[in-house]
Amino acid sequence: EAGVAQSPRYKIIEKRQSVAFWCNPISGHATLYWYQQILGQGPKLLIQFQNNGVVDDSQLPKDRFSAERLKGVDSTLKIQPAKLEDSAVYLCASSLAGTSDGNTFGSGTRLTVV
Amino acid sequence: EDKVVQSPLSLVVHEGDTVTLNCSYEVTNFRSLLWYKQEKKAPTFLFMLTSSGIEKKSGRLSSILDKKELFSILNITATQTGDSAVYLCAVEGVNRNDYKLSFGAGTTVTVRA
Repeated sequence: EAGVAQSPRYKIIEKRQSVAFWCNPISGHATLYWYQQILGQGPKLLIQFQNNGVVDDSQLPKDRFSAERLKGVDSTLKIQPAKLEDSAVYLCASSLAGTSDGNTFGSGTRLTVV
Repeated sequence: EDKVVQSPLSLVVHEGDTVTLNCSYEVTNFRSLLWYKQEKKAPTFLFMLTSSGIEKKSGRLSSILDKKELFSILNITATQTGDSAVYLCAVEGVNRNDYKLSFGAGTTVTVRA
């Protein structure tokens, strides 16, 4: 079974620039999550999708972050404009039916904002 | 707001030692507690605990949950350098039909040869 694919692996941008991350979940997984993990902290949920609908985006800074999951498969997370404090690893995870025991994480994208 | 607190934040041990990691939590409508190992970027699943007092084991790792006192421990016996990682505790709460995972900050374990 192929895992959760994310790209790019690394990204360095200047503050106020825009950046986008891509995630391809495990085939058949209806639920997709984006997490932000700042150095020294645990992952923090940004947004959760069930198919192509948003289940929870309460911790997504909507003034600069946006995410979509067209056709209920791949997802993109965008930051526009980026701030220094957005430097983090962005993890994508997917699961079959919204329960966490089947969560599989991707390798993440490490974003550095300078 | 759901809360997960792990202790210690970090520890350094020598090969062969036993380590005990702690996780305490407050969550609305508890469903499960999960342990993950994070070596580089992707957390990998270790255990899922839903019932009090039932120990789960996998090789040298074991974990138990106390739902009355709201905590869990993760034990690693006969540690090896490959056990060096960040160990994350996460708690799953349920709101209507939505499941939400809240993570602790992790415990960094360093095993020296």
